[in-house]
Order: sequence, then C-alpha cells, then structure tokens
Amino acid sequence: GNSVTQMEGPVTLSEEAFLTINCTYTATGYPSLFWYVQYPGEGLQLLLKATKADDKGSNKGFEATYRKETTSFHLEKGSVQVSDSAVYFCALSASPSGGYNKLIFGAGTRLAVHP
Amino acid sequence: NAGVTQTPKFRILKIGQSMTLQCTQDMNHNYMYWYRQDPGMGLKLIYYSVGAGITDKGEVPNGYNVSRSTTEDFPLRLELAAPSQTSVYFCASSSRGVGGNEQFFGPGTRLTVL
Repeated sequence: GNSVTQMEGPVTLSEEAFLTINCTYTATGYPSLFWYVQYPGEGLQLLLKATKADDKGSNKGFEATYRKETTSFHLEKGSVQVSDSAVYFCALSASPSGGYNKLIFGAGTRLAVHP
Repeated sequence: NAGVTQTPKFRILKIGQSMTLQCTQDMNHNYMYWYRQDPGMGLKLIYYSVGAGITDKGEVPNGYNVSRSTTEDFPLRLELAAPSQTSVYFCASSSRGVGGNEQFFGPGTRLTVL
C-alpha cells in the first residue's frame, strides 16, 4: 500500500544552519507530494508541493524535489531561522481507482532552531 | 475568510460519554475531512465527505460518526468515548479531491478520555 517515511526528530539546529529533512515514499501510480508545516498550537499549513517527477516545490526558502528514481522528496533550507521551529509533515496524495485523492502523512519531524 | 474553524479547542471526557466536535469552513469547499493525530504519528483519516449529503469512511472510522447536511459544516460524533480516542482531531477541507490539491486545516481539538 501507499506509505510515507520521514526521518525521526527532533532535529535541533542553530540559526543559519542548513536543514535537510528526509522523506521517502511508497506508492502505486504517480502520486503528488507535499510538505505541510504545523506551528505550535496551530493546524497544518501547506508549505510546498510537487505534482510530477523532477518538479521542485519551493516556498519561504524551503525546497523539495520530486525524485521518482529514489522515491524521495527531501525538504531543504539553506539557512534556518528561529521562526522555522515547527513540526514538518511529508505527505502524498494518491488516487484509488475511481475514488478521490486522499492524503497519507508521515509521522512528522519536529525542528527546533536555537539563536 | 476565517478558513476552517473547530470547536472546542480542548475537552476532557469520561469513558462512555458522548460529544460532537464541530467543524465549519467558509471557503465553499466540497471536500471535507476528519483526521486524528496520535503522539509521534502522522495524521490518520477518520471520515471524509465529497459534498453535502455524502460521507464515507477513512482508515480509522470505528467509534465515530459524521454527517454533512450543509456544504459548510461537517461535525464528528463520538459515541461511548474510550481512552483509545484520546487524540488531537483535525478537520480539513479542499475545493477538489484530485492530486495536487491543497487541504486547509483547522487548529485542532485536543480530546482526552479518562
């Protein structure tokens, strides 16, 4: 079945450090891939997405490239800020036959950035 | 736009009690969803709806019921609450159900069953 695996947290970084959060997936067909972010006390917000192989999603300095050959969608940011502290979820959207596309989430990775 | 709103924010229930979690969206979205988020786990889909009057089960529907009488509202009902239902519940909506379509989430309801 479809699944998403992302690296365990917490990830603790100093401000301006480089960030990578790994995400790999298993899916039949051609899923769309997402990164959602959850700030403390809030619901999830879409951070970026990619809908086909080799697409790069980007937003707020974050990037992720849809790699079909390695079934990966790793999240990167060149210089993190304290305000990036949050939980990051990788997700895929796959369509069962005749049905709607549902989101399948990874377990989430908590990021803590210190000054 | 308020987006997706949920009430209450927090609730403590005793085993066997019932309650309804409210969810409202003002974006005129056809698709609505209920998820639960357990500690250290990703979100799991409880129920979803593709439009008013139409609902269907997700991955973990046991112990829950939903209704969708209007486009805006999608309440989740817990009957006979159990400790296993202690979780954070998120409601979400989207304009379409197709791939690449963003889901908008509410702030969540933290439920504890003792």
